[in-house]
Amino acid sequence: EVQLLESGGGLVQPGGSLRLSCAASGFTFSNYDMHWVRQAPGKGLKWVSTITGSGSFKYYADSVKGRFTVSRDNSETTVYLQMNSLTAEDTAVYYCAKDFGIMSHPFNFWGQGTLVTVSS
Amino acid sequence: SYELTQPPSVSVSPGQTASITCSGDKLGDKYPCWYQQKPGQSPVLVIYQHNKRPSGIPERFSGSNSGNTATLTISGTQAMDEADYYCHAWDSSTVVFGGGTKLTVL
Repeated sequence: EVQLLESGGGLVQPGGSLRLSCAASGFTFSNYDMHWVRQAPGKGLKWVSTITGSGSFKYYADSVKGRFTVSRDNSETTVYLQMNSLTAEDTAVYYCAKDFGIMSHPFNFWGQGTLVTVSS
Repeated sequence: SYELTQPPSVSVSPGQTASITCSGDKLGDKYPCWYQQKPGQSPVLVIYQHNKRPSGIPERFSGSNSGNTATLTISGTQAMDEADYYCHAWDSSTVVFGGGTKLTVL
């Protein structure tokens, strides 16, 4: 059974940093791209970042480029999102999601999400 | 940047057919997919590659695509289908979600 368990969310002051983790199990982790998606309160889904299975390629939304860094540890089957220079606009539930592994890259499993609140 | 456009809301009576559209330039070339999200829950993939259903998704969910518009169709809509629905596509190594459509079953 595929499981994705996010952690690391919480309350942080503007300008602060936070590192999210997503522990994965139930599949061959290194074979799949992993994604981060966020959802501000009452709003829609917004893609944040993608990292390929080997970790060789990383992609970011323009809104987080230069501030967020995605990484993964395939030996620990965990993907991370380091978030720096946080602003109130980064307040959201952050989900990690597993790639289906096919051309169109649908996300076939999602974690339960972790809430990040940026506020003074 | 690439954009996907969905109607904010759609209403349907129980047992009827609901259709939710998603529009984007050359969307048909991008193999869009659809997610269902119920309040307080994580999204669930319901349709991928235009019209394929993941294991466990009821047959009443189907997808189609024509040029610049993808459509999620729910036949015989049930009360449990009331949720937000999002379309999703890749464009130039970035992921784009539609703004979401709230499906109301009344």
